[in-house]
Amino acid sequence: QKEVEQNSGPLSVPEGAIASLNCTYSDRGSQSFFWYRQYSGKSPELIMFIYSNGDKEDGRFTAQLNKASQYVSLLIRDSQPSDSATYLCAAHNAGGTSYGKLTFGQGTILTVHP
Amino acid sequence: DAGITQSPRYKITETGRQVTLMCHQTWSHSYMFWYRQDLGHGLRLIYYSAAADITDKGEVPDGYVVSRSKTENFPLTLESATRSQTSVYFCASTPRGRQNTEAFFGQGTRLTVV
Repeated sequence: QKEVEQNSGPLSVPEGAIASLNCTYSDRGSQSFFWYRQYSGKSPELIMFIYSNGDKEDGRFTAQLNKASQYVSLLIRDSQPSDSATYLCAAHNAGGTSYGKLTFGQGTILTVHP
Repeated sequence: DAGITQSPRYKITETGRQVTLMCHQTWSHSYMFWYRQDLGHGLRLIYYSAAADITDKGEVPDGYVVSRSKTENFPLTLESATRSQTSVYFCASTPRGRQNTEAFFGQGTRLTVV
């Protein structure tokens, strides 16, 4: 089992809709979680991070964390064609012998069509 | 220039040859990471380092060697390249100690083993 798993894609949504991206993690030593966006041929870039249970909003993006269920999600409201990219979930380990380890999921390809 | 840089950007090598990918960061970040990215697998962690002379294996370390004699450099060596190591390699760095420790990525190195 991968340490970080993302919902299988690709995901296609119409412009203006809400895109929902999901991620689960297996290592309970993970304490911080990150969502990165990666355009084709480019390096990943950070969208949001979250480390407290609950919701965190930043513009059109909302990250949700449920540590009991080991679940992280990203909602993109009012999706735009420019949001079309691969979205990567990452877990940062802050405990034990794996302190500092940053593990990514396999990514979800999102396409927003006009 | 400040930042994290990888070299070379593109490399073609033959099966069995040794090849080294370079990574240099100017922020004095404690943590550095090497990932490979293949279609359908997201970013898979090869090795990471918490500080100079401290390295640890990630998810897919076989066939790779790392060293970190200086904080700012983290080279990745393929001892005897195989076709399965054809991939895009990303180096990343993060500072130590904060929960919102964003990882900063290099531009990537596209390696082809023929």
